[in-house]
Amino acid sequence: GENVEQHPSTLSVQEGDSAVIKCTYSDSASNYFPWYKQELGKRPQLIIDIRSNVGEKKDQRIAVTLNKTAKHFSLHITETQPEDSAVYFCAASIGYGKLTFGQGTILTVHP
Amino acid sequence: GAVVSQHPSRVICKSGTSVKIECRSLDFQATTMFWYRQFPKKSLMLMATSNEGSKATYEQGVEKDKFLINHASLTLSTLTVTSAHPEDSSFYICSARDVHLSGEKLFFGSGTQLSVL
Repeated sequence: GENVEQHPSTLSVQEGDSAVIKCTYSDSASNYFPWYKQELGKRPQLIIDIRSNVGEKKDQRIAVTLNKTAKHFSLHITETQPEDSAVYFCAASIGYGKLTFGQGTILTVHP
Repeated sequence: GAVVSQHPSRVICKSGTSVKIECRSLDFQATTMFWYRQFPKKSLMLMATSNEGSKATYEQGVEKDKFLINHASLTLSTLTVTSAHPEDSSFYICSARDVHLSGEKLFFGSGTQLSVL
């Protein structure tokens, strides 16, 4: 089955800096790659997603890049703010909504 | 966006009892729902795929007789933890896919924190 590896497990940045989280996947059939933000005890919130026919997608301060050949995708957050502090999960899917999640990254943005 | 309601949000029970968790899609039909388990500071682990009108598909290592899943309608899936033990204590969360509106996007319930004494 699909295996998703996510790095780093923790990331600490100063407010205003950029944050980058990277994921690799194993199944070349995966074609949908969402990123979720989860606060303690809350549901995961979709922040951005990308499909395999696109190399990059941007939404304000958040961007995702996908390299199908290398089977890795990354989340980029620019101009980080303290409210960006949370756990971020990448995921991969071959379809039908069945997601395999990465291990998660605890992002801390210091004021 | 689509709303998924999950109840209860928190439950405390004694060992040996059964606990039922409900997951409802409020404004869309979900032929497929997913149940995850999450330990503190860990990732979401898929337990099973709930299919409306048919048997659930369980992931490897998940006991289907312990975690009973019923998806009797297009808007409701239930997970019953039978004969709960302290090691079943965890955060359980469901998700649903609105095929007509959102394609691959999943919408998550608010989760259920289960504590077994």
